Amino acid sequence: AQKVTQAQTEISVVEKEDVTLDCVYETRDTTYYLFWYKQPPSGELVFLIRRNSFDEQNEISGRYSWNFQKSTSSFNFTITASQVVDSAVYFCALSERWSMNRDDKIIFGKGTRLHILP
Amino acid sequence: GAVVSQHPSWVICKSGTSVKIECRSLDFQATTMFWYRQFPKKSLMLMATSNEGSKATYEQGVEKDKFLINHASLTLSTLTVTSAHPEDSSFYICSARDWGNGERPTDTQYFGPGTRLTVL
Repeated sequence: AQKVTQAQTEISVVEKEDVTLDCVYETRDTTYYLFWYKQPPSGELVFLIRRNSFDEQNEISGRYSWNFQKSTSSFNFTITASQVVDSAVYFCALSERWSMNRDDKIIFGKGTRLHILP
Repeated sequence: GAVVSQHPSWVICKSGTSVKIECRSLDFQATTMFWYRQFPKKSLMLMATSNEGSKATYEQGVEKDKFLINHASLTLSTLTVTSAHPEDSSFYICSARDWGNGERPTDTQYFGPGTRLTVL
């Protein structure tokens, strides 16, 4: 069975600090996708990244970076030099391998509410 | 990127009435759409998978007679909450699966902006 655990329910940091959001996942499949989504107060989900299980390279996109460690089943997300606009709920998610014949669903973690204080 | 719309964005209705929520993929065709429900300060819970031209697949614990899903075209799926009650008040989010093309990334799910349902 698939499971995504975001142990940090809520985090508050002061603007310009770096912050890391933890994500640990469980799956029996050897091929899967991992995601991070941002949900600002407006409610709309914003796609941040998708990572294939075969690609363990870390990724950096501006102030965002992701650390994928298959050995520990973790996919952590770091925001560098945080800004007030980063305040939102962040969801880590997992999907087993999609194919033309399977409609594998995305399973979401419970989310981490991030407060960036000015 | 691809765009998914939902209508209405919010709705208030009386207990006992039915409410229909539309989910549209605006610039791509989606053979598969998903419906999620989110309670305040909670995570997204998948309700059902909607496949164009066939019956939806419901997750365990979701009443199919209560939440009717129709996916009649490649760009539209609807969720009807029948005989709504206050406990059905929630934020409903749909997503559409895009297999991609040369310009868009392959095999990605795009989410709609959500519909906030309040049942009085």
